[in-house]
Amino acid sequence: DAKTTQPPSMDCAEGRAANLPCNHSTISGNEYVYWYRQIHSQGPQYIIHGLKNNETNEMASLIITEDRKSSTLILPHATLRDTAVYYCIVRVDNQGGKLIFGQGTELSVKP
Amino acid sequence: DGGITQSPKYLFRKEGQNVTLSCEQNLNHDAMYWYRQDPGQGLRLIYYSQIVNDFQKGDIAEGYSVSREKKESFPLTVTSAQKNPTAFYLCASSRGYSYEQYFGPGTRLTVT
Repeated sequence: DAKTTQPPSMDCAEGRAANLPCNHSTISGNEYVYWYRQIHSQGPQYIIHGLKNNETNEMASLIITEDRKSSTLILPHATLRDTAVYYCIVRVDNQGGKLIFGQGTELSVKP
Repeated sequence: DGGITQSPKYLFRKEGQNVTLSCEQNLNHDAMYWYRQDPGQGLRLIYYSQIVNDFQKGDIAEGYSVSREKKESFPLTVTSAQKNPTAFYLCASSRGYSYEQYFGPGTRLTVT
């Protein structure tokens, strides 16, 4: 299973863009990169996913490098409610497409 | 509102008792999943199901059982054989195995 590496914690000022990096150097050609976030004691929330191209939705943007070995999740205007643990996941093809959650990045948005 | 519901939010049981956690979805999703989360850890897959009356073991199925008699329901039973049942249990669903999964609010089970 492809492994992801994320910084354990990051800070961001409210209203500024939050850029969360992720390394996935062993990713296979047909494996997708998913991002979820989890606020303490709640279920994870789906944010965005992508394969090769950059993706954008109402929550965030996902930038994937051309070699697909790393990606960056961008929250364009962080708010205090964006404080959470953010997980970068490479979804496997077996076991029903299970999600393997690592340690994630704890993002703290500060006033 | 469409979504996934899990009940109850908190559950307390004595050691040696079986307990069933509820998971219901009204998203018309075919696939459903059960994960377990321990403090400071990521999620681990217990069981998953793609269609009614069919389910497969995940990475940590020992001591757990499931059923999928209806498309919208996927209850998880934590049996007395599960050695460390105290954890946060999360149910998820998706349109299929190749689609994004959406999670319920979770049930925190404490066994003493």
